[in-house]
Amino acid sequence: KAGVTQTPRYLIKTRGQQVTLSCSPISGHRSVSWYQQTPGQGLQFLFEYFSETQRNKGNFPGRFSGRQFSNSRSEMNVSTLELGDSALYLCASSLGGANGYTFGSGTRLTVV
Amino acid sequence: KQEVTQIPAALSVPEGENLVLNCSFTDSAIYNLQWFRQDPGKGLTSLLLIQSSQREQTSGRLNASLDKSSGRSTLYIAASQPGDSATYLCAVKRGDSGGSNYKLTFGKGTLLTVNP
Repeated sequence: KAGVTQTPRYLIKTRGQQVTLSCSPISGHRSVSWYQQTPGQGLQFLFEYFSETQRNKGNFPGRFSGRQFSNSRSEMNVSTLELGDSALYLCASSLGGANGYTFGSGTRLTVV
Repeated sequence: KQEVTQIPAALSVPEGENLVLNCSFTDSAIYNLQWFRQDPGKGLTSLLLIQSSQREQTSGRLNASLDKSSGRSTLYIAASQPGDSATYLCAVKRGDSGGSNYKLTFGKGTLLTVNP
């Protein structure tokens, strides 16, 4: 079966711009989570969506937002980009409950 | 606040050696623990998932144990190969503030190098 698909794989943006990242979960998975990975902070939780509802949010500024559609696909948006937003953004999907997570290959965002 | 620590941060071993990676967590009220592998610039590949009620899980040359009461997990890799070289991450799943809004909390990882 198809895995978690993230697009695009790479992005280069300028400070102050905004960006939208996309994630298509495994078919049947209704939980989609987003994580930011940087060399200094490691992997940090951004937010989780389940059946189009944001269930949990990490400690990130309001510039980071997301949404989930009825087909479980999710998008993450970052507005007014800062140099420190440069990171690998990972999406994970799950059936929920006691099940584990499957991660996508990530989107590498570089802010210049 | 849940904190996850992985020791050592880096490990270099000759091919064929058996090795153990360690993971500790501060809050034992976890739902499950998952070990991942990450190759440079890539996403995470799930290796093993251990539920809070389980003691260990095995997959091929990998064996993961969980001692929830002491807040520890180990990943044992038998007969290591150069292809095992990667960063290994452990992550615990629990509800935020003990509730049901689950999330993963990750350790910083162990960078493993297996030399031919």
